[in-house]
Formats: sequence, C-alpha cells, structure tokens
Amino acid sequence: EAGVAQSPRYKIIEKRQSVAFWCNPISGHATLYWYQQILGQGPKLLIQFQNNGVVDDSQLPKDRFSAERLKGVDSTLKIQPAKLEDSAVYLCASRGGLAVNEQFFGPGTRLTVL
Amino acid sequence: AQSVTQLDSQVPVFEEAPVELRCNYSSSVSVYLFWYVQYPNQGLQLLLKYLSGSTLVKGINGFEAEFNKSQTSFHLRKPSVHISDTAEYFCAVSLSNSGNTPLVFGKGTRLSVIA
Repeated sequence: EAGVAQSPRYKIIEKRQSVAFWCNPISGHATLYWYQQILGQGPKLLIQFQNNGVVDDSQLPKDRFSAERLKGVDSTLKIQPAKLEDSAVYLCASRGGLAVNEQFFGPGTRLTVL
Repeated sequence: AQSVTQLDSQVPVFEEAPVELRCNYSSSVSVYLFWYVQYPNQGLQLLLKYLSGSTLVKGINGFEAEFNKSQTSFHLRKPSVHISDTAEYFCAVSLSNSGNTPLVFGKGTRLSVIA
C-alpha cells in the first residue's frame, strides 16, 4: 500500500511571500492531520480533517495559514504571507482503515523562510 | 490537556550497549502512548504503541517499552543498539476515549550510536 505523499520536499522563500504544500493521504483514510515541526521540537498539530470537514483548527494561525480538503482526499496547506518563524518541517499524517489508532506520516516539507 | 516530557534531549551510546530513552506524560484522563522514530530528512515511523493490556510492549527493530501508570512513564529500551539506530525518537500521547484525537508529542531525544 502506498504511503502518505507530500510535495514539495523542500521550499525556500522570502518573508512575506506565499507558499502551498500538498498532501495525498493513504487511500481510504478519512482522517488527515497537518503538523508543524520546528527545529529541536516535536510536531505540533495545526489542523485535523475528518473527510472534508475540519475537526480541530484551534492551533492554526488563521491570519496567515489556511488549509482545505475539498473532496475528502488530497489536502493543501497555505501560508500567506510567510514569516521567518514559519521555518519548519510541515508533516502530513493520515489515519483510517484497520489501524484505527495509528497515524501514518508523510516525509514532510521543509520550509525555509529568509 | 495532555503533555509529554522527554527527559533527555541527547543520548550518546556505544554500539552494542543497552539504551533507555525516558518519557513521562501528564493527563487527567486515560491515554494511548506511542514511540515514533525519525531518521534524517524523513517522516515519523511508528516503533510501538500501548493501547491496553500488557504493560510491556514490543515494537520493531528490537525496541520495547513499559507503561507504568503510577509513575506516568513510558520509557523506551533496547538491549543492544546498532549504528543504524541513530535517529530522533519521539514519545507521544493521544486520548483513549476517542480513536481520532491528534497526537501530542514530546520534544524528542536524539540517539547517537558511537562505533
């Protein structure tokens, strides 16, 4: 079974620019998460989707971050405009199928904001 | 709210020596417990998880962990490490009353295996 796919793997932008990340979860997984992992820290939840609905976005900086999962499959995370402190790895994870209590992670997108 | 404390940010150990990575958690309700490993430039891979039952959990790559409810700990152990075990290790919790809650992670422990 194919894993969680993310692109791009790396992105370098200047502050105040916009950037978008894409995630394709494991086929059939209804739950999708976006985490932010700042260097030296553990991942922190940004947003959780159940199918195409938002379950939890309480930690998403909504003034600059947005995310969508229109058809309940792929998801995009956008930052506009980016700040220096947004430099991090953005991890997508999905959950579903028989492994109900396990999240499967993609390789992440490493964002550097200059 | 739940929280996770990984007591050591870095652990150097010689090859073939045993290792223990410590994890303590805080929660007012029952939780599930997980250990993930992250190799350089890769995502997180599940090592093992505790949901219920036996408090000693065995995972992949020869790792095991023991859930201690009274001490709210879930320490990770391996009796003999290899160079290939060099990576970042994360302890995480999620609420056990729902199968869908997100993970709360510790800050991670960097394991460096020395030849």
